[in-house]
Amino acid sequence: QSVLTQPPSVSGAPGQRVTISCTGSSSNIGAGYDVHWYQQLPGTAPKLHIYGYRNRPSGVPDRFSGFKSDTSVSLVISGLQAEDEADYYCQSYDSSLSGWVFGGGTKLTVL
Amino acid sequence: QVQLVQSGGGVVQPGRSLRLSCAASGFSFSSYALHWVRQAPGKGLEWVAFISYDGTNKYYAESVKGRFTVSRDNSNNTLYLQMDSLRPEDRAVYYCARDPHWRMTGETRGDFWGQGTLVTVSS
Repeated sequence: QSVLTQPPSVSGAPGQRVTISCTGSSSNIGAGYDVHWYQQLPGTAPKLHIYGYRNRPSGVPDRFSGFKSDTSVSLVISGLQAEDEADYYCQSYDSSLSGWVFGGGTKLTVL
Repeated sequence: QVQLVQSGGGVVQPGRSLRLSCAASGFSFSSYALHWVRQAPGKGLEWVAFISYDGTNKYYAESVKGRFTVSRDNSNNTLYLQMDSLRPEDRAVYYCARDPHWRMTGETRGDFWGQGTLVTVSS
């Protein structure tokens, strides 16, 4: 059971837009700690894709966007491409654990 | 360019020990905190341990506390994970990751990751 909650899977056709949500609790996201998103392609290490809710590291396409509202955090991928098919994980800091917490991961399928 | 190259994985019997290494290059190693993260086969990511830039602060996941020890050698740009009393449930790919901060903060994250090394615990 992961501390952060993500949908197990999402899918979309090429060119479409998908959203992956991430919810936590008062000791992590609710406490205002940053949320980050990682992309993990099959058989490879995770790669930071969004940090600090909405910032993209160099080299990450602007099709990837992060959003934060009062009640939720999400990753939005616009203009889906086949190469976006991967697992996506959200991550934050948890004060009760003094370390990272992750969502269970969301498998994105490009139809 | 930033590189984290891991070594030390393998097959070990339950109750035995193993040490993982993560050799860094391309950045000022002694200025950054580091983490270990693992991923059991077909499962999600699990944070394992943290060490601050100078090694004075260390934090562990409850699942490994008392059995695993994280350390670093800033003179040789290498991070270590000493794993003792290994259990079958420790079987996973282990990743090292660099934190862009020197200590644990609310913005903590992994901006660069090693390639991963597989640890199998089996009799």
